[in-house]
Amino acid sequence: KAGVTQTPRYLIKTRGQQVTLSCSPISGHRSVSWYQQTPGQGLQFLFEYFSETQRNKGNFPGRFSGRQFSNSRSEMNVSTLELGDSALYLCASSLEGGFSYEQYFGPGTRLTVT
Amino acid sequence: EDQVTQSPEALRLQEGESSSLNCSYTVSGLRGLFWYRQDPGKGPEFLFTLYSAGEEKEKERLKATLTKKESFLHITAPKPEDSATYLCARKRPGKSTFGDGTTLTVKP
Repeated sequence: KAGVTQTPRYLIKTRGQQVTLSCSPISGHRSVSWYQQTPGQGLQFLFEYFSETQRNKGNFPGRFSGRQFSNSRSEMNVSTLELGDSALYLCASSLEGGFSYEQYFGPGTRLTVT
Repeated sequence: EDQVTQSPEALRLQEGESSSLNCSYTVSGLRGLFWYRQDPGKGPEFLFTLYSAGEEKEKERLKATLTKKESFLHITAPKPEDSATYLCARKRPGKSTFGDGTTLTVKP
C-alpha cells in the first residue's frame, strides 16, 4: 500500500504571499490531520478532517485553512505568509478519526518564508 | 485538555547501554497512547499503540508499557541506528496531542 504523500516537498515563499499544500492519504483512510512542526514548538495540531468535514481546529489564526475532498485528499492553505510560518508541515492519515486509530505521517512539506 | 510531557529531552547512550524514555499525561481514561519515531527531516513513523494500563508491546529492541498516568519506552541494547527522536501522543476524536519528544543518540 502506498503511504501518505505530500506535495510539494519544499517551498520558498515571500512574506505576504499565500501557499497551498496538498496531502494524499493512504487508500481507504478517511481522516486527515495537519500539523506544524518547528524546533521551538514541536508538533502543533492545525486541524483534522473526516469525510470532508473539519472536526477540530488547533489554536492557529484564521490565515490557516484547509479542506478535504470526496476522495479524502486534503489541502491546507496559508494566506498572508509571515516569517514565523516557516516550518515543516506534516499531514497524517488514519482509518477513522476515533481515539484508537494510529496515524501515518507523510514526509512533510518544508516551507521557508523570506 | 490533555497535556503530554516527555523526559528526558535528550539522551545519549553507548551502544548496548539499555535505558527508558518517559511519557506522562494529565488526563487518564479511555484514550490511545501512541509512540512514534522521527528521523531528521522526515515525518514521524508509527511504532506502537497502547490502550489499557498494564499493556505492553514489543518491536525488536523497543518495548512500550502503559500505566494509568504514564508510558515508558524501554530500549534494550540499543544500536546507533536507533538514534532518532521518539514522540508520544494521546489521541481523542478530532485531535492528537504530542509531547516534545526525546532525542536519543546512540554512540558506537
